[in-house]
Amino acid sequence: NAGVTQTPKFRVLKTGQSMTLLCAQDMNHEYMYWYRQDPGMGLRLIHYSVGEGTTAKGEVPDGYNVSRLKKQNFLLGLESAAPSQTSVYFCASSYGGGPSYGYTFGSGTRLTVV
Amino acid sequence: AQKVTQAQTEISVVEKEDVTLDCVYETRDTTYYLFWYKQPPSGELVFLIRRNSFDEQNEISGRYSWNFQKSTSSFNFTITASQVVDSAVYFCALSEPITNFGNEKLTFGTGTRLTIIP
Repeated sequence: NAGVTQTPKFRVLKTGQSMTLLCAQDMNHEYMYWYRQDPGMGLRLIHYSVGEGTTAKGEVPDGYNVSRLKKQNFLLGLESAAPSQTSVYFCASSYGGGPSYGYTFGSGTRLTVV
Repeated sequence: AQKVTQAQTEISVVEKEDVTLDCVYETRDTTYYLFWYKQPPSGELVFLIRRNSFDEQNEISGRYSWNFQKSTSSFNFTITASQVVDSAVYFCALSEPITNFGNEKLTFGTGTRLTIIP
């Protein structure tokens, strides 16, 4: 089925470890986003991309890096994980940059940093 | 900056009762979109509705209805004859520009956890 796929679904990291979260979409969407969801805070934008080869910072970018080498993939990296990065991470994509195009969300990645 | 307030943190109702989830927003934009998403216990985000700021007509979809009032900056969501499957966290969100080129992001409220008691 077409949509947004996030890998992995769950992960436990030790403080200081690194990892990469993968977001893949097969809808030929230009725009992709990474959000994090924390209890009592809703979802907040980490980084986003307006097309292949582009990335930009969102609301809470510190401690994360991203890459969009291929149009269909948007990677979120944690170079040195910290307990404050324990969260549920959602990837989203949209055909255009505005909300009139709609957003498709992945099913989320639950990350725990111990 | 834009802001979305969902003052109701948790609501519990008995099955078949009606329930309204409140959403109040702040924005300086004249053109914007409002959204509601459902997050069931399985964790995914399910899109429910998108409404643009020029369309103030109320919308009904089955047991769901939405009341958009620009005068009070509110976009409330009502579930009629609630069912156990409606138990979830519901998020209200507002579109917000992130560049001058039409790119926008969603600003989410903190969510309301709705529990339907059988």
